[in-house]
Amino acid sequence: DIQMTQSPSTLSASVGDRVTITCRASQSISNWLAWYQQKPGKAPKLLIYRASSLESGVPSRFSGSGFGTEFTLTISSLQPDDFATYYCHQYSTYPRTFGQGTKVEIK
Amino acid sequence: EVQLLESGGGLVQPGGSLRLSCAGSGFTFSSYALYWVRQAPGKGLEWVSTISESGGDTYYADSVRGRFTISRDNFKNTLYLQMNSLRADDTAVYYCARNYYPDVWGQGTTVTVSS
Repeated sequence: DIQMTQSPSTLSASVGDRVTITCRASQSISNWLAWYQQKPGKAPKLLIYRASSLESGVPSRFSGSGFGTEFTLTISSLQPDDFATYYCHQYSTYPRTFGQGTKVEIK
Repeated sequence: EVQLLESGGGLVQPGGSLRLSCAGSGFTFSSYALYWVRQAPGKGLEWVSTISESGGDTYYADSVRGRFTISRDNFKNTLYLQMNSLRADDTAVYYCARNYYPDVWGQGTTVTVSS
């Protein structure tokens, strides 16, 4: 199974900060990686697919990069609506796997 | 509007069964693979199962293989998850989602396995 490891697990930041979350795969997944945002009590929301493609309707302050085993999600200027938990997800092979999540908190 | 709507969750005793349903609307249901993903209380997301567009290919997490069965009815635009031999660690919110990289999610249905 491909393990997905996110870092950090928790991130404290202020509005306006540039935030970067890292996701590492235990083996190469090419660019078959998606990023999700989840708020308490809500379903996950797709932000990025194919490692760097921005989902329609998602603000341009979100961006993704990476290939193979190392991936990043960047929020260029953190907004109040962005405080949430973020998950990476590999859809290269079965079983599908998610990272453990990164909670972005208000500093 | 593209939408997925789960139903069928509830409280069930250990060893019991439950069938979840997920109704799709606003898109060509038969053109998309479909996922079930679950989230235990206070925990992260866990992939459960995927079914191909035609229903001919199915995939399962080791934790549910042999106990859960995914299926779909493309005429009724509905996805199913038959869950048997339920255990306490199956307690979670169950989400259905569309596509090989889930782009549309339902609101979730809660399954509680407890005596």
